[in-house]
Formats: sequence, structure tokens, C-alpha cells
Amino acid sequence: AQSVTQLDSQVPVFEEAPVELRCNYSSSVSVYLFWYVQYPNQGLQLLLKYLSGSTLVESINGFEAEFNKSQTSFHLRKPSVHISDTAEYFCAVSVRNTGFQKLVFGTGTRLLVSP
Amino acid sequence: DARVTQTPRHKVTEMGQEVTMRCQPILGHNTVFWYRQTMMQGLELLAYFRNRAPLDDSGMPKDRFSAEMPDATLATLKIQPSEPRDSAVYFCASGLVLDPLVPSDSYEQYFGPGTRLTVT
Repeated sequence: AQSVTQLDSQVPVFEEAPVELRCNYSSSVSVYLFWYVQYPNQGLQLLLKYLSGSTLVESINGFEAEFNKSQTSFHLRKPSVHISDTAEYFCAVSVRNTGFQKLVFGTGTRLLVSP
Repeated sequence: DARVTQTPRHKVTEMGQEVTMRCQPILGHNTVFWYRQTMMQGLELLAYFRNRAPLDDSGMPKDRFSAEMPDATLATLKIQPSEPRDSAVYFCASGLVLDPLVPSDSYEQYFGPGTRLTVT
């Protein structure tokens, strides 16, 4: 069964600094990968996804993630964060296979952006 | 702006009472998912519907939880009787097939704002 590891439970960073949120997955078959963001008292919002093709995917608000098959990673990066990026970020994986495939979530990383 | 809606947003109830949570999926989405989020367990999938039929509810405690989709615009999650350990945030998500070119039952999921349930 697949699993997702987000090693950092919390990442504090200053505004306008770069940030990387790490995500590693385990799966013996091909996968789809996702990053979701959850703002306080809200549901999860899809930030970006990797299905196939280019290994670098981008979101509309400046985040990007790179699929690295050899390292089984899908780290999320932003070159310059804003206060408004403070939220919980979840990495998720779904197996690329027939039959219903659950979306398996990591435990989340809380990004804390301070002035 | 198409969104998943959930009601109520907050519910406080006493142990033993029945709780019903409602979800309106995005129009055109044929799949609905129910999740529970707690600090200890994170996000857990409780149930999954496709075209209103329950396809997987293995994550749901069968003795007290039930999930239904009476029509394409309404999904419900019911707990009877409720217990303090049911306190959590319950999310509904609706989804689209992720990759129509691949015979994979995977979905891009859109989450509602959640129902925060407190059972005292």
C-alpha cells in the first residue's frame, strides 16, 4: 500500500524568504501526486497536481512542485512567501491503477510566515 | 464559482443524540467522498459514492455511522448514537475522474468547508 511522509510538522519562515516543504511517498507502481492547502477553519484546496508529463508543476499563486521518481519525492517550493501563505499543507498520493484508488494524505506541514 | 457546500458548519450535541451532516457536491461531479479529520488520525476516508451508489465505506464504523446519497445534489452522513470520540471535523468532497485516458478509478477531489462536530 502506498504511503506519504511529510517529515516537517511545522516550518517557520520569514516573509519574502524561500521555502521548501518536503514530501516523500512509497509506492511500487506509478502514482498521481497532489498538494492541498488548508487555511484555518476551511476545507482543503487543491494547490497543484502531477499526473504525467513535465515533472515540474506550478500553481497560480507562485508555488511549484517537482516530481522526482528516483527519489520518490514531490517537494513543494516557493521562492518568496507571503504572510497569507500561512496554512497547513498536505501532500497526497493516489495509485495509477485500475479499481478505486484512495487518496492517501500525509500528516501535513504547518507553514508559519512571520513578518 | 462552483463549490461543495456543507451544513451545518458547526454542531455541538450531547452523547447519544443523532447527528446528520449534509453535503451538496459540485454540479456535474459524479463522485462524493466523506472524510474525518482529527489531530490524532489526520484525514481518514469514511465513504465513497459514485453515481449515488456507495462503493467503499470500509473506513466507516458500521454500527453507528451511515452514509447515503438520496439524489445527485445531496449526500448525508449520519451518526446515531453519537459518542465523544466522534468529535472531529467532517469533510465532504466531490470529484472528477482524474485522467480519462487511463483506466484508473482516481479522482481530483474538491473539498467542502467541513462540519466541526463536538459531542459532549
